[in-house]
Amino acid sequence: EIVLTQSPGTLSLSLGERATLSCRASQSVSSSYLAWYQQKPGQAPRLLIYGSSSRATGIPDRFSGSGSGTDFTLTISRLEPEDFAVYYCHQYGSSRPWTFGQGTKVEIK
Amino acid sequence: EVQLVESGGGLAQPGGSLRLSCAASGFTFNTYSMDWVRQPPGKGLEWVSHIDGSSTHIYDADSVKGRFTISRDNAKNSLYLQMNSLRVEDTAVYYCARMGDMNTFGGVSPRPFDYWGQGTLVTVSS
Repeated sequence: EIVLTQSPGTLSLSLGERATLSCRASQSVSSSYLAWYQQKPGQAPRLLIYGSSSRATGIPDRFSGSGSGTDFTLTISRLEPEDFAVYYCHQYGSSRPWTFGQGTKVEIK
Repeated sequence: EVQLVESGGGLAQPGGSLRLSCAASGFTFNTYSMDWVRQPPGKGLEWVSHIDGSSTHIYDADSVKGRFTISRDNAKNSLYLQMNSLRVEDTAVYYCARMGDMNTFGGVSPRPFDYWGQGTLVTVSS
């Protein structure tokens, strides 16, 4: 099983600041199979990034993804009020089970 | 508009059973693979089960293998999860999720989950 470890657990930032979230895999993940989701309290997850760097439909360009191998990053260039949420990375490659990171909470400082 | 609506959650005793349903609309259901993903209260996401459009390929997480059964009825645009031998650790919100189509997601397989329902809470307690 591929274990995804996200850091930090909580990120405290102000509006307009840049957020950098990390996801490290226990073994190499093809960049084609790494996604990021946003989840707000009481809501379902929403797909943000797939294929490590492609934005899903309707996702603003302040969200970007990068990385390869075992290290992946989600960057939010300038935090908007609606961006404060929990973010999960997810690997969905040929190696099952498909797994998620434990999440990073982005909170208002 | 794509909609996924789960139902069937509730309180069950350890060792008991529940059947979850997910009603799909707004897309051609039989052409999409579907999954169940769960989230224990206050915790992260865990993939549970997968079924392709024709019910040919079914995969389960080890934690539910032999106890949970995923199925679908394409005529009714519905996805199901039969949960038997429930354990306290099965307590979670259960989401049905659509696996994105190959055309949209660069021709790779598998693909990420592009639409999720709002979830149904399953509580296993005596």
